Amino acid sequence: GENVEQHPSTLSVQEGDSAVIKCTYSDSASNYFPWYKQELGKRPQLIIDIRSNVGEKKDQRIAVTLNKTAKHFSLHITETQPEDSAVYFCAASHMNRDDKIIFGKGTRLHILP
Amino acid sequence: NAGVTQTPKFRVLKTGQSMTLLCAQDMNHEYMYWYRQDPGMGLRLIHYSVGEGTTAKGEVPDGYNVSRLKKQNFLLGLESAAPSQTSVYFCASSFGPGQGALDEQYFGPGTRLTVT
Repeated sequence: GENVEQHPSTLSVQEGDSAVIKCTYSDSASNYFPWYKQELGKRPQLIIDIRSNVGEKKDQRIAVTLNKTAKHFSLHITETQPEDSAVYFCAASHMNRDDKIIFGKGTRLHILP
Repeated sequence: NAGVTQTPKFRVLKTGQSMTLLCAQDMNHEYMYWYRQDPGMGLRLIHYSVGEGTTAKGEVPDGYNVSRLKKQNFLLGLESAAPSQTSVYFCASSFGPGQGALDEQYFGPGTRLTVT
């Protein structure tokens, strides 16, 4: 089955700097890669996703890149702000196979003032 | 729309007791999921359902049972609770894979369960 590794487990960046979170997956057939953000005490919410037919996707200050050959994908947050402090989860799935989504263990992002 | 709701929000059980967690969604989603979240372990899938009357095992199904008798409800049961089942439980729902832009999972607010 699919296995998703996420690094780092904790990340601290100065406000205004960029943050990068990296994930690798094991199943080369996986074709859907969402990222979820979970603020303290809240439920996870989708912030961006990418499919295997696309190498990069951007939405304002966040972007995701996908390298299918290396089986890794990354989340990039630019111009970080205090409200970006949260736990971020990557995930992988094969969306045409009715497969379940497997999550990484999460990255706790701290934005330092 | 209420979205995804979970009942109860908090519960304390003694070892060996049983309980049922209820998840309800009003978005006409086909797929529903139960996850547990433990510190440093991320979200681990317990069981999921791809439609009314169907269920399937996830990554950590042992000690749990589920039922999906109605499309809008997904129940998670613990027959004999153990301290290892102390966790925060999240339910989620989605239209299902391959639905284009509708693959997003919507999560409920969570249930904090403590087993002593």
